[in-house]
Amino acid sequence: QSALTQEASVSGTVGQKVTLSCTGNSNNIGTYVVGWYQQISHGAPKIVMFGNSLPSGIPDRFSGSKSGTTASLTISGLQPEDEAEYFCSTWDSSLRAVVFGGGTKLTVL
Amino acid sequence: QLQLQESGPGLVKPSETLSLTCTVSGGSISSNSYYWGWIRQPPGKGLEWIGSTDYSGSSYYYPSLKSRATISIDTSKNQFSLRLNSVTATDTAVYYCARSPSRQELKNWGQGTLVTVSS
Repeated sequence: QSALTQEASVSGTVGQKVTLSCTGNSNNIGTYVVGWYQQISHGAPKIVMFGNSLPSGIPDRFSGSKSGTTASLTISGLQPEDEAEYFCSTWDSSLRAVVFGGGTKLTVL
Repeated sequence: QLQLQESGPGLVKPSETLSLTCTVSGGSISSNSYYWGWIRQPPGKGLEWIGSTDYSGSSYYYPSLKSRATISIDTSKNQFSLRLNSVTATDTAVYYCARSPSRQELKNWGQGTLVTVSS
C-alpha cells in the first residue's frame, strides 16, 4: 500500500492533453514539493518535474501543479515517446521518509 | 557531467548482508549541498525509498527498513554504500543510487543493479 495514490493507468492520443494525479495528505503533499519521475521500459527513472519547475532537458509540454493534498502532472501535446510509467514522490514528515505513489502507466494510443 | 554507478553482488543468500556501492563521477561526494541515497524496485512493482545521508552524517531511513539498513559515505573513493542485513526473498529488487539537492528531489539516478536473494 503506497503512501501516495495514483491512477493505475491513463491513456491518450498523440497531441492530446493528459493529466496524472497524485493524492496524499497534510503530512506529505500538503506541505512539501512533489517530484514526478518517468520510467521508460523498466529503465532508470528520470525526474521530469519538481513542483512546477522543469528540469533541464525536459520538454515544456510537461507542467506540474498542486492543490491542497493533490499534485498533478500535465502533458500538453502528448508524444509517442511519453509512453512510460510515472511515479510521484515527496517527503513525509510523519514517516520522516521519502514516499512514492504506486505509479501510473501512461499509454499513447 | 555527473554519473552514478551501482556495483555489488547480483546474488545474495537469505539471512546474509546485501552490500552495494555507488561510485560518483563528475562531482564531489564531499559537497554539503546534497543527499546521497538508495531506492529499490522489486520485479514488477513500484519504487521504494530506502534512505539517504548527507556529508555531515545526517541519515534518514524508511521506517520498515531502518533496523536493517545503513548508508555510509567514503570520501576518499568518492563513493557511498548501502548495507542491508538479514535479507529475505522480499529484498529481491533493482537497487538504484541517487543524488538529491534536497531530501525529496531525486535529481540524478544510477542505472540500477539487480540483486536477487536466493539460496
